[in-house]
Amino acid sequence: DSQLTQSPSSLSASVGDRVTITCRASQSISTYLNWYQQKPGTAPKLLIYGASTLQSGVPSRFSGSGSGTDFTLTISSLHPEDFATYYCQQSYTSPRTFGQGTKVEIK
Amino acid sequence: QVQLQESGPGLVKPSGTLSLTCAVSGGSISGSLSSTDWWSWVRQPPGKGLEWIGEIYHSGSTNYNPSFKSRFTISVDTSQNQISLKVRSVTAADTAVYYCARDPRTVGATIVDAFDLWGQGTMVTVSS
Repeated sequence: DSQLTQSPSSLSASVGDRVTITCRASQSISTYLNWYQQKPGTAPKLLIYGASTLQSGVPSRFSGSGSGTDFTLTISSLHPEDFATYYCQQSYTSPRTFGQGTKVEIK
Repeated sequence: QVQLQESGPGLVKPSGTLSLTCAVSGGSISGSLSSTDWWSWVRQPPGKGLEWIGEIYHSGSTNYNPSFKSRFTISVDTSQNQISLKVRSVTAADTAVYYCARDPRTVGATIVDAFDLWGQGTMVTVSS
């Protein structure tokens, strides 16, 4: 299995802050890396696929980068509605795997 | 637009069998002749992360997470436009929210190998 490790596991930030979350894969997964946002009591929502392509309707303050084993999700300026848990997920190989999640909380 | 709706019993006794369905509305589970949609089940234990159980194509082809292969069965009913998940010999560790999700693999000429559409999830509690 391709294991994904996210860091940090949680962070506190203020509205307007720039936030970066990293995801490291245990083996090279090219750019088959996706990012999701999940708010309490709701299903995950796809933000970015293919490491850097913004899903339709997702604000441009979200961006993704990386290839191989190291990836980042960046929120350029945190909005109140961005406080949530973020997951990375690889689609390079089966079984599909998710990172353990990063909870973004209000400072 | 296409929507997914999971349904299930809510409460299951230990050692019993859990059956869940995911109804697809607003579109055919088979898609067009060139459809590359795969349909997955993902679960999330309370307060924990996401776990991919497996996926199915409208033809019935399946891929499973080896961690779930022995007790879990995914099936498709194209006439009812739904997919199903059956879990045998459940224990408290199977308590979770169960989601169905679509992975289109491609959209036009673009590779979109991600879960772009999710149901709202159904909570399953295993308890006597």
